[in-house]
Amino acid sequence: AQSVSQHNHHVILSEAASLELGCNYSYGGTVNLFWYVQYPGQHLQLLLKYFSGDPLVKGIKGFEAEFIKSKFSFNLRKPSVQWSDTAEYFCAVNAQGNNRLAFGKGNQVVVIP
Amino acid sequence: GAGVSQSPSNKVTEKGKDVELRCDPISGHTALYWYRQRLGQGLEFLIYFQGNSAPDKSGLPSDRFSAERTGESVSTLTIQRTQQEDSAVYLCASSPLRPLGTDTQYFGPGTRLTVL
Repeated sequence: AQSVSQHNHHVILSEAASLELGCNYSYGGTVNLFWYVQYPGQHLQLLLKYFSGDPLVKGIKGFEAEFIKSKFSFNLRKPSVQWSDTAEYFCAVNAQGNNRLAFGKGNQVVVIP
Repeated sequence: GAGVSQSPSNKVTEKGKDVELRCDPISGHTALYWYRQRLGQGLEFLIYFQGNSAPDKSGLPSDRFSAERTGESVSTLTIQRTQQEDSAVYLCASSPLRPLGTDTQYFGPGTRLTVL
């Protein structure tokens, strides 16, 4: 079974700072990778996903993530955060051909104006 | 509605009682998923319905948990003889079921279950 690790559960930073959230997974086969975000009071929603092609994927609101197969990683980045990026971010993975997702524990990100 | 809906939004029950949670997926979505999120934890897969195929029940934590789905519509998750460790947010998601697991899953608002 897949497992997903996210570090630094609580992140506090100022507006305009850069953000990088780490995500590592354990699974030896081909995977699909996702980042979901939950803004305060809202549903969990997709930020971006990777399943093939260019390992650098761009999502909504200026976020991007890079798949590094050799490191089993799919780190999320944003060069300059805004107060509205305050949210909880979850990394998730599934094995190709299997829709059940394995989620990490999430990163609670607070952006101070 | 346009999104996944769940009811009730909050449920408080006494230990030992049965509870039933409901999920209305997005119309036309073939796949439906149930997850559980305990405090401070990530989402934990429970069960997955894929069209008319047999559901993937491999994530159900015990035989007190069961779920049903009528065709490609409503699903209910039932927890019998609830225990305090069942307290969590139960999330439902649906997806159109694209090949190779590349689906985006669309999540509902969740049901917060508290077992006293």
